[in-house]
Amino acid sequence: DIQMTQSPSTLSASVGDRVTITCRASQRISNALAWYQQKPGKAPKLLIYKASTLESGVTSRFSGSGSDTDFTLTISSLQPDDSATYYCQQYVSNSPYTFGQGTKLEIK
Amino acid sequence: QVQLQESGPGLVKPSQTLSLTCTVSGGSISSAVYYWSWIRQPAGKGLEWIGRFYTTGTMNYNPSLESRVTISADKSKNQFFLNLSSVTAADSAVYYCARDHGGYRDLWGQGTLVTVSS
Repeated sequence: DIQMTQSPSTLSASVGDRVTITCRASQRISNALAWYQQKPGKAPKLLIYKASTLESGVTSRFSGSGSDTDFTLTISSLQPDDSATYYCQQYVSNSPYTFGQGTKLEIK
Repeated sequence: QVQLQESGPGLVKPSQTLSLTCTVSGGSISSAVYYWSWIRQPAGKGLEWIGRFYTTGTMNYNPSLESRVTISADKSKNQFFLNLSSVTAADSAVYYCARDHGGYRDLWGQGTLVTVSS
């Protein structure tokens, strides 16, 4: 299986900050990577797919980049509503889909 | 708009079979565009993909669960199902159904908590 490793595991930042979360794949996955936001007691919400394509309806403060093994999710101008846990997920075909362990983002 | 809703018992005894239903409204599971997936999340932990169904009858399973998992569907009712056999406490989790768009999940149900306990 392809292992996905996110860093950091927890992150604390202030409103207005620019925040970056990284995700590393154990094998090359091209751009088959998605990012999700999950708030307590809620289902995950798709933010980005194909590494950098913003899902319809998602604020442009979220952006994704990277390819092959190294990926980043960036949140510009952090807002209180961005407090959540963020997951990356790879979806290379012929491989079980796997998620990162999550990054919990707290607003100071 | 398309919505997904999980349903099923919230409590299952060890060694028994966990059975869940996902009802899709506002869209068809017969669509050639999407797969339909099950994902689970133990309390306080991360997400685990269980498997998925496609309208042609193709099923894909996570190898770690494949020996115990069956995913099926009833197109006439626009529902798909999860059966997980020989459950243990480690199978206690929130179970989500989701629409799978080529590997990423663009729509999710609200989730249903299943506890395995005698």
